[in-house]
Parts: sequence; C-alpha cells; structure tokens
Amino acid sequence: DTEVTQTPKHLVMGMTNKKSLKCEQHMGHRAMYWYKQKAKKPPELMFVYSYEKLSINESVPSRFSPECPNSSLLNLHLHALQPEDSALYLCASSQPGGTVGYTFGSGTRLTVV
Amino acid sequence: AQSVAQPEDQVNVAEGNPLTVKCTYSVSGNPYLFWYVQYPNRGLQFLLKYITGDNLVKGSYGFEAEFNKSQTSFHLKKPSALVSDSALYFCAVTGTYKYIFGTGTRLKVLA
Repeated sequence: DTEVTQTPKHLVMGMTNKKSLKCEQHMGHRAMYWYKQKAKKPPELMFVYSYEKLSINESVPSRFSPECPNSSLLNLHLHALQPEDSALYLCASSQPGGTVGYTFGSGTRLTVV
Repeated sequence: AQSVAQPEDQVNVAEGNPLTVKCTYSVSGNPYLFWYVQYPNRGLQFLLKYITGDNLVKGSYGFEAEFNKSQTSFHLKKPSALVSDSALYFCAVTGTYKYIFGTGTRLKVLA
C-alpha cells in the first residue's frame, strides 16, 4: 500500500461546529504532517509528528488540534473555525528526515460558513 | 535561511515541445531538492529528488531535473510535453522535518 488516505474529501462546517479530519497510511512511515493550502498557493506546514510525538507546531491557532493515535493514523480536530480557515488540508507521511520524499494524501476541501 | 524561488507563475508550451520549469534555491550546506506536481483538487505527487550524486536526476512520467550547484538551480525538464502534463508544479528544499516550497508554477501544455 503506497497511499495516504484522507477522509472526508469535502467538509462544510459552521463556525460553532466541531469536526475532525482523518489521515491513514500503511507504508510504515514514522513521520506524518498536516499542511494547509490556499488556492494557487504552496502548502503551509501546520504540524509534524515523528514517532507519534508532536515535534513541530508552526504556531497554529488552538482551534486546530492534532492527534496521532498510532503510527498509521493522524487526526486534525477542528473547533470554532473562521471562514478564513477554508482551504485544502493535506496530510503527508515520510520516513523521519524527509530525504526520501513525502507521500501526500488527496486532501480534504474544508469550507467554513 | 533556506528558500526556493520559482520565477515564473505560468509556463505555456506546445504539445510535443520540450518544457522547462525553473527553480533556484538558497541553502546553507548541501541541499535536498524535490519536485512535486499537483493536479486540481488533489494532493501533491512526488516527481523526483536530488540528494547527492549525478546532477541529472530522472523521475516519474518522463520528467528529469538538472542540479547546478554553481547557478544554485534545479530546473525541471521534459523532452516532449503532453497535454496531460498541465498542472501546478512545486519545487521544494528540505532540511530536517520541514519542506520549504516554492510559490508554484502553472504549466499549460497547448494542443
């Protein structure tokens, strides 16, 4: 299995809702990442997990809460989001260090209304 | 600080012609360089990488890239473009754990 699977593909949520994005990989990668991508812009790193521990938080607002239950799963919990948080959220995985390249999921298109 | 630059927002090329998508980098130490492609509403797909060794790197879908240390460049090339190559291309440099992406170049291959 050489894929990173993200669910759901699309999500519309109100500003008072709580929702979660899910990411799963079975490539044995021990580093997993959340990126946010606005239209026609490069992805922006949000969080890095290495060996199931949070290693990098790029000063992301607390309304985004990551979780890594095990080496194959990565969640992003969303609460009280703002319309400007609407974006494509990408999950990626790699071996720690990233020198062999990342494998990205297809993303979740999030719209906050 | 590490950075990459993609000087062209868009590149247009006729089908069958060679294509080049430009990338320059600024890093301290030896660079790890990557190219990714993104189709609409999809994640990024890995094309190729340069870590060390031969300056000409071959990757997926017939793409290749040439690492030029003196010009600090890592241009993406393909000898004969296909309409299906039309997509958004990102150059990236990485240290530990973090990619620095370029701003992206939209490639449009015209039939």
